[in-house]
Amino acid sequence: DAGVIQSPRHEVTEMGQEVTLRCKPISGHDYLFWYRQTMMRGLELLIYFNNNVPIDDSGMPEDRFSAKMPNASFSTLKIQPSEPRDSAVYFCASSRAGTGAIYEQYFGPGTRLTVT
Amino acid sequence: QQPVQSPQAVILREGEDAVINCSSSKALYSVHWYRQKHGEAPVFLMILLKGGEQKGHDKISASFNEKKQQSSLYLTASQLSYSGTYFCGTGDAGNNRKLIWGLGTSLAVNP
Repeated sequence: DAGVIQSPRHEVTEMGQEVTLRCKPISGHDYLFWYRQTMMRGLELLIYFNNNVPIDDSGMPEDRFSAKMPNASFSTLKIQPSEPRDSAVYFCASSRAGTGAIYEQYFGPGTRLTVT
Repeated sequence: QQPVQSPQAVILREGEDAVINCSSSKALYSVHWYRQKHGEAPVFLMILLKGGEQKGHDKISASFNEKKQQSSLYLTASQLSYSGTYFCGTGDAGNNRKLIWGLGTSLAVNP
């Protein structure tokens, strides 16, 4: 079974440009998570979806960030306009509903974003 | 609110043991442990719940101390493959999918 797929793997862009990160979760998984990882702040949950519906977006830094999940097999995270402080590794993860509160997340390989 | 992990870094020789701690200022409901190798994605190791339920890999063990609001990960007879950064994520009963992650513990196992 293929794991979580993310594209692009690396993105270098100039400040002010729009950036779109893509994620394909594992087939059959009900939950999808977007994370940002930096040395200073560690791993931060930005938003998560359940059955394509956004459940908690309290971690989205500001209005420049938006995420969508139009169907069970695709999600995007968009940053518009991008700023240098957005430079980070962005991970997408997915999980099954699990048994009660027991579940494990499967992370994608990440997208390393550099904004100059 | 971010859990505190200790130690920040540890260096072992192959075969030695290590304990990594994760302390929370909030009451714990769930603790998730993941390992990340350099340049790779985090990989699930274990989940522990208040009440004792847990799931994880056979070679990994961990504890959940509700009173101390702390979880510990035990790495015994370490192997070279154990090297990496270990993260704990904590969840609460109201929103168990929203994990707050510690900054990680870097573990290096040398021959």
